[in-house]
Amino acid sequence: GAVVSQHPSWVICKSGTSVKIECRSLDFQATTMFWYRQFPKQSLMLMATSNEGSKATYEQGVEKDKFLINHASLTLSTLTVTSAHPEDSSFYICSARRQRNTEAFFGQGTRLTVV
Amino acid sequence: EDQVTQSPEALRLQEGESSSLNCSYTVSGLRGLFWYRQDPGKGPEFLFTLYSAGEEKEKERLKATLTKKESFLHITAPKPEDSATYLCAVQPPDNYGQNFVFGPGTRLSVLP
Repeated sequence: GAVVSQHPSWVICKSGTSVKIECRSLDFQATTMFWYRQFPKQSLMLMATSNEGSKATYEQGVEKDKFLINHASLTLSTLTVTSAHPEDSSFYICSARRQRNTEAFFGQGTRLTVV
Repeated sequence: EDQVTQSPEALRLQEGESSSLNCSYTVSGLRGLFWYRQDPGKGPEFLFTLYSAGEEKEKERLKATLTKKESFLHITAPKPEDSATYLCAVQPPDNYGQNFVFGPGTRLSVLP
């Protein structure tokens, strides 16, 4: 199977601090990784797409300076929420894909609460 | 703009009562259609990939089919553990195979 591990599964942080979320493809190399945000009872909202070794492509309305994405290797991408505020509290999910036009596999998600 | 819609928004079934979920899309030149299952508080779990009209895939009580404009997820004799939100996503061709377009999902509840 294809396993994507996301860590941490939940985090609580103080307003103004930064939080890093890791996404790893455990048994395959991912040419592309995606980061999503999901609000309660809503579908996935794509934040950004990243390819290994290149800058992430952010969706319209997503602040790239606030949501820093690094895709340093074919098995690891990180999302850093900088200077977090309560409105950043949400469920963040990553996914990874081996190659174009194939299915993506999702991590278990990270519940971020900013207090 | 590419659109993916799913119906119904929510569906309640009795255990053993078969039904179908619909995913309609306006994407032309589809490069793939994907079905996922999502449980509350978890990431989506991959179910099926369909690439061409007429294609069918099966897994346990689930069967996915694809036409030129829509896909169906048939659930035969569902059990309570099939309760989840079912998401479909399409892969459009015009943006270099980067971004999936997700539908809003169908929340399925199977009552014992």
